[in-house]
Amino acid sequence: QSALTQPASVSGSPGQSITVSCTGTSSDVGGYNLVSWYQQHPGKAPKLMIYEGSKRPSGVSNRFSGSKSGNTASLTISGLQAEDEADYYCCSYAGGSTFVVFGGGTKLTVL
Amino acid sequence: QVQLQESGPGLVKPSETLSLTCTVSDGSFSSGDYYWSWIRQPAGKGLEWIGRISTSGSTNYNPSLKSRVTISVDTSKNQFSLKLSSVTAADTAVYYCTRGGGYYGFDYWGQGTLVTVSS
Repeated sequence: QSALTQPASVSGSPGQSITVSCTGTSSDVGGYNLVSWYQQHPGKAPKLMIYEGSKRPSGVSNRFSGSKSGNTASLTISGLQAEDEADYYCCSYAGGSTFVVFGGGTKLTVL
Repeated sequence: QVQLQESGPGLVKPSETLSLTCTVSDGSFSSGDYYWSWIRQPAGKGLEWIGRISTSGSTNYNPSLKSRVTISVDTSKNQFSLKLSSVTAADTAVYYCTRGGGYYGFDYWGQGTLVTVSS
């Protein structure tokens, strides 16, 4: 069982927007603005898409955005494209003796 | 561009020690202010953070693995390493080395290496 809770799957049609949620606690997601999001295509290493909750690394499309409300972080992908079909993982700094926790992952299907 | 490459045995026997090394092609490895982490992923499952090390040698581990994990660094070789003792089939996974300690994301990843625990 993962420390952060994500929906197992989400789907959307090309051009639409989708949101993936990531629910934790006040000890991780809610306690720090240090949530990151990763995209993983089959057989590939994960790719950092969002860090510090809402910042995009250089080269990541501005169609990807991150936000947080309380103990829940969200990743929104706008203008869905076929290439966005992948697994998405959230991650949060958790401090204390835990340090880092991941979500269980969400499979995005572009219909 | 930072590149990371994992190396080590792809097959380990139960109860033995899994050993992997990550070589970093970054000239600033020893002088940079970064943490370097190991993350693993069992087939068809999610990501699990194993632990991290700074180039000064400061370490932190996942509490669930702490009793079996040792991460070390060799700045002269631009490498950091993972040792996981007393392995079982549950340790079978793709192991990734990454740059980052969990604060600002894991921004560079190795391609991953599959380690199978089997007799």
